[in-house]
Amino acid sequence: GNSVTQMEGPVTLSEEAFLTINCTYTATGYPSLFWYVQYPGEGLQLLLKATKADDKGSNKGFEATYRKETTSFHLEKGSVQVSDSAVYFCALSGMNTGFQKLVFGTGTRLLVSP
Amino acid sequence: NAGVMQNPRHLVRRRGQEARLRCSPMKGHSHVYWYRQLPEEGLKFMVYLQKENIIDESGMPKERFSAEFPKEGPSILRIQQVVRGDSAAYFCASAVAGDNQPQHFGDGTRLSIL
Repeated sequence: GNSVTQMEGPVTLSEEAFLTINCTYTATGYPSLFWYVQYPGEGLQLLLKATKADDKGSNKGFEATYRKETTSFHLEKGSVQVSDSAVYFCALSGMNTGFQKLVFGTGTRLLVSP
Repeated sequence: NAGVMQNPRHLVRRRGQEARLRCSPMKGHSHVYWYRQLPEEGLKFMVYLQKENIIDESGMPKERFSAEFPKEGPSILRIQQVVRGDSAAYFCASAVAGDNQPQHFGDGTRLSIL
């Protein structure tokens, strides 16, 4: 079946450090890929998305490239801030999940210290 | 432009009682999704509804759980005869019609079973 695997957290960084959160997926066909962010006590917010191979999604300094050859969608940011501390979820949707039914990874908690 | 509204934010029930969770989608959104998040885990799809129709309920337990999205009013997720294992955060998301339209999440209802 379809699945998403994320690196385990927490990821602990100092402010202005470079961030990478790995995400790989298993799916039949061509899923759309998403990164969502969840701040404490809140729902998920869409951070960025990519709908086809080689697309790069970007938002608020975060970016991720849809790599079909490695089935990956790693999240990166060049310089993290304390306010980026949150849980990040990689997700996919597509024909085999049932259109729009999101399949989530387990989430990666990011802790950024001043 | 209000986002997805869920209420209550917190709900406490004793074993055997009923829990009703409400979700008002964003204006203009006709598709509603319910997800469950267990502690320290990612979100798991439960059910996908359009107005007056259940489209996909493959993620919802066969017993005690039901969902509806009536022509008028919010979507309701109903859990009968709750058990301790039902304790979780329940998130609703809404979207407009169309392939892979982004889902917008509410802040969730945190259900605690005593």
